Amino acid sequence: DAKTTQPPSMDCAEGRAANLPCNHSTISGNEYVYWYRQIHSQGPQYIIHGLKNNETNEMASLIITEDRKSSTLILPHATLRDTAVYYCIVSSSYGGYQKVTFGTGTKLQVIP
Amino acid sequence: GAVVSQHPSRVICKSGTSVKIECRSLDFQATTMFWYRQFPKQSLMLMATSNEGSKATYEQGVEKDKFLINHASLTLSTLTVTSAHPEDSSFYICSARGAGQNYGYTFGSGTRLTVV
Repeated sequence: DAKTTQPPSMDCAEGRAANLPCNHSTISGNEYVYWYRQIHSQGPQYIIHGLKNNETNEMASLIITEDRKSSTLILPHATLRDTAVYYCIVSSSYGGYQKVTFGTGTKLQVIP
Repeated sequence: GAVVSQHPSRVICKSGTSVKIECRSLDFQATTMFWYRQFPKQSLMLMATSNEGSKATYEQGVEKDKFLINHASLTLSTLTVTSAHPEDSSFYICSARGAGQNYGYTFGSGTRLTVV
């Protein structure tokens, strides 16, 4: 399985953009990059995913480098409700289905 | 969007008893479901993967006889913690992925298990 590495924690001022990096240097050509976040004592919430191209939705933008070895999740205007642990993960193929394993994630603290 | 319902949200049981946790996909058919365990201040740890109608595949170090997984239908998977002990106390989370889904995996809200 491809592994991901993320900084353990980050702070961001409310209203500013939060840029969360992720390294996935061993990602395979057919593996997607997914981002989830987990607010305390809840299940992870899907944010965005991508394969090669940059992606944007109502929650965030995902920037994937050309070599696909790293990516950045961008929350354009962070709010206090964005305080959570953010996980960058890659899907893997195993026996015809894909399982997802989580790294340690980045704890984002949005500061008033 | 896809919704996964997980019950119960919290359960307290006595040591030595068994506890069943249900995970249902409400608006899609989940061909594959995953079960995770999360200890305080730690990341999610994948316990097992189950495909509808077949035996679950357990991750290394997870006891299959202790954590029984049943995925008898395309909308329901259950995790039974048998002969629970205090060290089994944890946050258990299920995740589901339907056939053809291309937007990732949908997670349940989790079950906080406390064994006393």
